[in-house]
Amino acid sequence: GPKVLQIPSHQIIDMGQMVTLNCDPVSNHLYFYWYKQILGQQMEFLVNFYNGKVMEKSKLFKDQFSVERPDGSYFTLKIQPTALEDSAVYFCASSPRLGGVAETLYFGSGTRLTVL
Amino acid sequence: GEKVEQHESTLSVREGDSAVINCTYTDTASSYFPWYKQEAGKGLHFVIDIRSNVDRKQSQRLIVLLDKKAKRFSLHITATQPEDSAIYFCAASMRYNVLYFGSGTKLTVEP
Repeated sequence: GPKVLQIPSHQIIDMGQMVTLNCDPVSNHLYFYWYKQILGQQMEFLVNFYNGKVMEKSKLFKDQFSVERPDGSYFTLKIQPTALEDSAVYFCASSPRLGGVAETLYFGSGTRLTVL
Repeated sequence: GEKVEQHESTLSVREGDSAVINCTYTDTASSYFPWYKQEAGKGLHFVIDIRSNVDRKQSQRLIVLLDKKAKRFSLHITATQPEDSAIYFCAASMRYNVLYFGSGTKLTVEP
């Protein structure tokens, strides 16, 4: 089936530094998402993105977070500066359409971020 | 906001038996209920979904039931096989593909 690739699979970073998580979505998909899963907890929605804009974000999407997809390249989640509580697995997802009817999301394998 | 509760954190069945995973949700506006499977070290893989305009959907060995009055939905896996062993996540959505996930059920199918 359609595959979403996430790079890297693991990232270790010192608190206060910047980190960029990369996502290569399914090629013909137009809508992109980030979800966050802290170890042992439920996966939680962070943000969705379409046509260069954030459509909706949750309270977990702090001011230190930003997303972009410049010129059809990777869809990225940037955290600057990082904090200890940002340690989690971040899942990227994409879907072909977004409308009144929800569409199937295709998820990547996740990037495990450890902030020291 | 929406809260999804997944009742079984672990479930163990014998190969060939059926497995049932139950979820409840709180927001009556939720209208889309997908299920995902996660194998060790891998991402979430979509398995089946149901929308609020129906109360039952089947895809091969997978059956999803939706009870809107009780705000409950369930995944039934019939004739289980060892490769069904994984963590299964239920989710609910009311808009714009914002999925609210359950906490996951680790299913073990014993030979």
